Amino acid sequence: DAGVTQSPTHLIKTRGQQVTLRCSPKSGHDTVSWYQQALGQGPQFIFQYYEEEERQRGNFPDRFSGHQFPNYSSELNVNALLLGDSALYLCASSLVPGNEQFFGPGTRLTVL
Amino acid sequence: AQSVSQHNHHVILSEAASLELGCNYSYGGTVNLFWYVQYPGQHLQLLLKYFSGDPLVKGIKGFEAEFIKSKFSFNLRKPSVQWSDTAEYFCALLTGTASKLTFGTGTRLQVTL
Repeated sequence: DAGVTQSPTHLIKTRGQQVTLRCSPKSGHDTVSWYQQALGQGPQFIFQYYEEEERQRGNFPDRFSGHQFPNYSSELNVNALLLGDSALYLCASSLVPGNEQFFGPGTRLTVL
Repeated sequence: AQSVSQHNHHVILSEAASLELGCNYSYGGTVNLFWYVQYPGQHLQLLLKYFSGDPLVKGIKGFEAEFIKSKFSFNLRKPSVQWSDTAEYFCALLTGTASKLTFGTGTRLQVTL
């Protein structure tokens, strides 16, 4: 049973560029949440997707957007990258919203 | 807004010592609580969870946690730590009206031989 997978593992971008991160949920899960984990901090909630719609959003600017596909996989897009966007981006999936969440290995984004 | 506080930022213990990591939350309604662990180079893994019922919950690898509603606490315990328990530990809160996890800042546990 495959767990949550994310791609790519690492990414280096420069300020102003745009980036897309991808996530495939655990088999049978239909809800995907995205988190940003800065160095030395706990993960911060970005948003959650369920039934292909953004269900809930954290305190992140509109530069952060996402999408969920019919197969429940999801993308996180960040536009106009800033140095402060450098972080580990985590994807988590759950059976339904409100259930325990299972995390992927994350994508390490470095913005130069 | 809900929040989670972990007061121990860095804990160093010798093998076989007992462990207690503090976690306090701020939220007035129904809560679900979790402890996650992040071993070096690995992804976040669920140690244990509290949804309802017995406030003393047991997780994997000999860890347990006690939910004390009157103290808004959910401390993590282990009677005897091993070197392999060296990791970062995160307490997290899932509230009844939302399905987002609110994490504490984490506690880095270092177990020495």
